[in-house]
Amino acid sequence: GAVVSQHPSRVICKSGTSVKIECRSLDFQATTMFWYRQFPKKSLMLMATSNEGSKATYEQGVEKDKFLINHASLTLSTLTVTSAHPEDSSFYICSGYRQETQYFGPGTRLLVL
Amino acid sequence: GNSVTQMEGPVTLSEEAFLTINCTYTATGYPSLFWYVQYPGEGLQLLLKATKADDKGSNKGFEATYRKETTSFHLEKGSVQVSDSAVYFCALIPTGGGNKLTFGTGTQLKVEL
Repeated sequence: GAVVSQHPSRVICKSGTSVKIECRSLDFQATTMFWYRQFPKKSLMLMATSNEGSKATYEQGVEKDKFLINHASLTLSTLTVTSAHPEDSSFYICSGYRQETQYFGPGTRLLVL
Repeated sequence: GNSVTQMEGPVTLSEEAFLTINCTYTATGYPSLFWYVQYPGEGLQLLLKATKADDKGSNKGFEATYRKETTSFHLEKGSVQVSDSAVYFCALIPTGGGNKLTFGTGTQLKVEL
């Protein structure tokens, strides 16, 4: 149990467009989900904590107007990268929290041209 | 604050060699401790965890023991395989509320024939 999926797995978009990434907990309910960003050969950087039915909590330095997070149900959180630019290209990973453990999705690779 | 320190990689071993990846932590109380593994191009998978002192987490031949006296959670495997080549992250969730993971920087393991 405790499987998390992400969609899409890869996305290429043009600069200035918005991209939505979905994170789903498939076999458990996650009142809390997390969004991370990972640069090549680096550890994960926590971007925000997504809470079902309330506003996300963003880490210092993360622009909340650029990275919109919605957690409308107990199994789905979405991250929208608005007006994406090449510097937003990265590997985005989400996780769902259950029984004192975070379970991670497979990641979404975003390339902004 | 909380922190996790891992040995720097890459660690290169021959198949069937013994593996140790060191991990020490700084945190108050009794945090929960985790090892996650990340295969190339994928998200993180929970490898094992321990939630109290002297607990041993184990999975797929990997083991780690929660040592409160040395604040350590070293990862070991008796005989590594080429398929174990990946990046390994040590992490903790602090005691008493809060569900954010604090990660180490990751240790890359390369296993050669």
